[in-house]
Amino acid sequence: LAKTTQPISMDSYEGQEVNITCSHNNIATNDYITWYQQFPSQGPRFIIQGYKTKVTNEVASLFIPADRKSSTLSLPRVSLSDTAVYYCLVGDGEGYSTLTFGKGTMLLVSP
Amino acid sequence: NAGVTQTPKFRILKIGQSMTLQCTQDMNHNYMYWYRQDPGMGLKLIYYSVGAGITDKGEVPNGYNVSRSTTEDFPLRLELAAPSQTSVYFCASSYQGRGNTIYFGEGSWLTVV
Repeated sequence: LAKTTQPISMDSYEGQEVNITCSHNNIATNDYITWYQQFPSQGPRFIIQGYKTKVTNEVASLFIPADRKSSTLSLPRVSLSDTAVYYCLVGDGEGYSTLTFGKGTMLLVSP
Repeated sequence: NAGVTQTPKFRILKIGQSMTLQCTQDMNHNYMYWYRQDPGMGLKLIYYSVGAGITDKGEVPNGYNVSRSTTEDFPLRLELAAPSQTSVYFCASSYQGRGNTIYFGEGSWLTVV
């Protein structure tokens, strides 16, 4: 089970790009990297998922280097509504049954 | 498409009481999970199920029980409630397969007094 390490908190201002890095040194060959977002009083919500290189969707981009030992979630031009906790998870379809979310990264976006 | 639905949303229990948190999903997912989240903390897995009739313990199963009689439903039973079980409970589901996405319910806030 790949363990992940990410910053406890980050601060940003509206309109800036935010990059949150997650370390997962013992990632396995079959593991995917998935990021979730959680607003207060809500369940986590899927943001983006990738296996290698770069993935982009309408919300974020995910950068994964060749060794896959880390990944970076990039949020372009954040707004106040992006204030949330962001979790990095690593696992495959079978491993998800035993994943834990950890404390995640609390992103605070200020005006 | 309702996704994952949890009931009740809020509940106050007295110490020693029992209750069941209901969870149902309409996405035909075979995997279902129960997590708890204490204030300022991450989610901890209580129990999970990989299909009807199959359940297994997660990280913090003590004080809880589950059953999975159908694909859709995965109730969580709290027996003899204790203050340490005051938390937010999230039910979730996913479809088996590499890189599957977990879908969460809106949460159930439980206070034991």
